[in-house]
Amino acid sequence: GENVEQHPSTLSVQEGDSAVIKCTYSDSASNYFPWYKQELGKRPQLIIDIRSNVGEKKDQRIAVTLNKTAKHFSLHITETQPEDSAVYFCAASNPPGGFKTIFGAGTRLFVKA
Amino acid sequence: EAGVAQSPRYKIIEKRQSVAFWCNPISGHATLYWYQQILGQGPKLLIQFQNNGVVDDSQLPKDRFSAERLKGVDSTLKIQPAKLEDSAVYLCASSLVAGGKYYNEQFFGPGTRLTVL
Repeated sequence: GENVEQHPSTLSVQEGDSAVIKCTYSDSASNYFPWYKQELGKRPQLIIDIRSNVGEKKDQRIAVTLNKTAKHFSLHITETQPEDSAVYFCAASNPPGGFKTIFGAGTRLFVKA
Repeated sequence: EAGVAQSPRYKIIEKRQSVAFWCNPISGHATLYWYQQILGQGPKLLIQFQNNGVVDDSQLPKDRFSAERLKGVDSTLKIQPAKLEDSAVYLCASSLVAGGKYYNEQFFGPGTRLTVL
């Protein structure tokens, strides 16, 4: 069945450094790739997303890249801050009929001050 | 704009008991999702509704789980009987369909943390 693999499972960086989280997906029909941030005990919240007709998207310190041929997409956070510490989930969404979404297992990011 | 509401926030039951969760999506959101999030894992889709119709329930354990969205707004998810492995956070999410166009962003509720003893 469809699958999304996410690496690493844990990432620790120094404040100000960059963090990169990578995902691969199996369903070539997927065309929407959101990233969610989940702080401890809170709900997942969308931080950035990318569609299959775009290779890269940036929003301030956050960027996402997509390689449809290789079925890879990545989240890049620059100038990390302690408040970036959270669990980050990638997901791949598959049309039609409402976009079934498969989530990765998550990456726990620690930003050390 | 009010967010997705869920209740209860916490529930502790013994195995073989029954439990029900309630979700009220954002007003106007036609698509509603129920996810199961086991500790340390990503959310796993259980069932997806479009208005009051089921779009996908391929990962719903139908021998014990059921869900309904009778009027196309609120939804309930039921587990009967519960097993130890059902301990998880149950997340409800909703997304918008407008003018025949699907908007992908899912808005999540706070979740219900279920503990089965």
